[in-house]
Amino acid sequence: KAGVTQTPRYLIKTRGQQVTLSCSPISGHRSVSWYQQTPGQGLQFLFEYFSETQRNKGNFPGRFSGRQFSNSRSEMNVSTLELGDSALYLCASSPGQTGDHEQFFGPGTRLTVL
Amino acid sequence: QKEVEQNSGPLSVPEGAIASLNCTYSDRVSQSFFWYRQYSGKSPELIMSIYSNGDKEDGRFTAQLNKASQYVSLLIRDSQPSDSATYLCAVNVLGGYQKVTFGTGTKLQVIP
Repeated sequence: KAGVTQTPRYLIKTRGQQVTLSCSPISGHRSVSWYQQTPGQGLQFLFEYFSETQRNKGNFPGRFSGRQFSNSRSEMNVSTLELGDSALYLCASSPGQTGDHEQFFGPGTRLTVL
Repeated sequence: QKEVEQNSGPLSVPEGAIASLNCTYSDRVSQSFFWYRQYSGKSPELIMSIYSNGDKEDGRFTAQLNKASQYVSLLIRDSQPSDSATYLCAVNVLGGYQKVTFGTGTKLQVIP
């Protein structure tokens, strides 16, 4: 089975712009979670989608949003980028609801905000 | 108090020794526990999951869970230089909604 894929792998944006990141889960997995990883804060949970519905949400501002399509692919969007949004964005897929099942991570998208 | 706590390290062990990585969590109703390994510049890789009290072994890795003490650990036997990485503990914290919370990780260095 192919693993989790994320595109793009690297992204450079300027403050105020918006960005969309994409994640394709492992075939058959219905849950996709998104995380932000920074050296200072570690892995921070953004949100989880399960069967096109946002099931859980972390403590991030409304500038961070996401969605999931019927084929379980997911996108996350960050609007009005700030310097502090520079981070590695990871998505993870799981066969069932995150927490009950193991998660498998994609390679991540490295976002740099200038 | 953080929901999931790990010693940031680095934890240095000689090659061939046992590395012991520890994690404590604050939510007593947590049910699922995971260990991930993350090499520098890479994404986390699942090593072990454990759901019930006791030990779970997989090759050189043993996960130990003690729910009464809110403590989960990972033992790596016969440590190899290739085990040098950051190890992340993750806990399914049930706080109104279900989500997985990660510790900040322990950096392990295996000295040849």
